[in-house]
Amino acid sequence: DTGVSQDPRHKITKRGQNVTFRCDPISEHNRLYWYRQTLGQGPEFLTYFQNEAQLEKSRLLSDRFSAERPKGSFSTLEIQHTEQGDSAMYLCASSFGGRTLMGDTQYFGPGTRLTVL
Amino acid sequence: SQKIEQNSEALNIQEGKTATLTCNYTNYSPAYLQWYRQDPGRGPVFLLLIRENEKEKRKERLKVTFDTTLKQSLFHITASQPADSATYLCALFGSARQLTFGSGTQLTVLP
Repeated sequence: DTGVSQDPRHKITKRGQNVTFRCDPISEHNRLYWYRQTLGQGPEFLTYFQNEAQLEKSRLLSDRFSAERPKGSFSTLEIQHTEQGDSAMYLCASSFGGRTLMGDTQYFGPGTRLTVL
Repeated sequence: SQKIEQNSEALNIQEGKTATLTCNYTNYSPAYLQWYRQDPGRGPVFLLLIRENEKEKRKERLKVTFDTTLKQSLFHITASQPADSATYLCALFGSARQLTFGSGTQLTVLP
């Protein structure tokens, strides 16, 4: 399968614990995005990488959230001191683009469902 | 504030009919608009993109219109099939340089 993959698919944790999710984008894609989706809502943008550089961060992304893409390939999203409000589906997407974001078609992974007890 | 609204949370139609889904937006000047399909427990799947200078786009049984004066996009599925049942999301790309999604419309095509 050459699509976007995410690991784990499900994560249950206790409040206060740290969690880390991994995203492997489509291999030739230079852009990678993280979104959060709660039930009945559309995905909310969290952050965006072009190669290894983190170029955009949403105001939604509190200091407890950090994302990396060290070699411009896979990415990790870490949430420290998780809270119950962090429970959501975390989606990763990738795309291939040039200098601008115009016409950027994003390919989504299956998501990681986080439940914070 | 910027807002994206998709019509009614759920839409039920009979197989063979045309489904029409609406996406309205306020306080945006989107450069383009996309439609995605999402099945339960899965990530969204890209369907169509339409740019601000395009009025209509077609792909097989799908048609999207984009009216920047009305600030509205319509998404049509003709000859609908039960397999078309899913949640459909519209997403705008504007000055914030990021995709902003609506909350989606859940479509059920009844056999």
